[in-house]
Amino acid sequence: GAGVSQTPSNKVTEKGKYVELRCDPISGHTALYWYRQSLGQGPEFLIYFQGTGAADDSGLPNDRFFAVRPEGSVSTLKIQRTERGDSAVYLCASRPANTGELFFGEGSRLTVL
Amino acid sequence: GQQLNQSPQSMFIQEGEDVSMNCTSSSIFNTWLWYKQDPGEGPVLLIALYKAGELTSNGRLTAQFGITRKDSFLNISASIPSDVGIYFCAGRTGNQFYFGTGTSLTVIP
Repeated sequence: GAGVSQTPSNKVTEKGKYVELRCDPISGHTALYWYRQSLGQGPEFLIYFQGTGAADDSGLPNDRFFAVRPEGSVSTLKIQRTERGDSAVYLCASRPANTGELFFGEGSRLTVL
Repeated sequence: GQQLNQSPQSMFIQEGEDVSMNCTSSSIFNTWLWYKQDPGEGPVLLIALYKAGELTSNGRLTAQFGITRKDSFLNISASIPSDVGIYFCAGRTGNQFYFGTGTSLTVIP
């Protein structure tokens, strides 16, 4: 497809488990962002990649959260030892070089029981 | 992280009415974006603004980049039922995008 693709769309897991969320950005977009959205809130920044490197990871809440983008395209957000407070929609967005427009995927809804 | 002040928080309007919402920040931005989000979906980009004072339209939607670069507004004219959703503003500085808290719009047929 032409848009940002995120999988899974829904993930239910138990407290303490490990979770991976995948993002496939729009082809050719060099910048990739992860956001977290809680109910009734706007997206909150987690991490930003320019190419393969994490250019800014200041939004990651703690060291249980980690993200990679090994080939500069697909990215995986990894959450270790999940907690109930991690329940949210995790949004991925990509941006073409030299533009200010951010394009979002449909999100991955994570529920930690 | 920083969230922009967006108002109103919610609106209930009759079909056919015009709508206005705005977004303010204590920081200067070099880009303002407006998004619409439907339940269970990701935000969809409606309008992008790049210059202070810029007024841009997209169909029934009109948005303006405030002169001070610290605010933006979005107008929707002649609302229709499919305008229902949550509207978010976003301001960009450098490679960072900051989002508003959202305006929930309900259109009563």
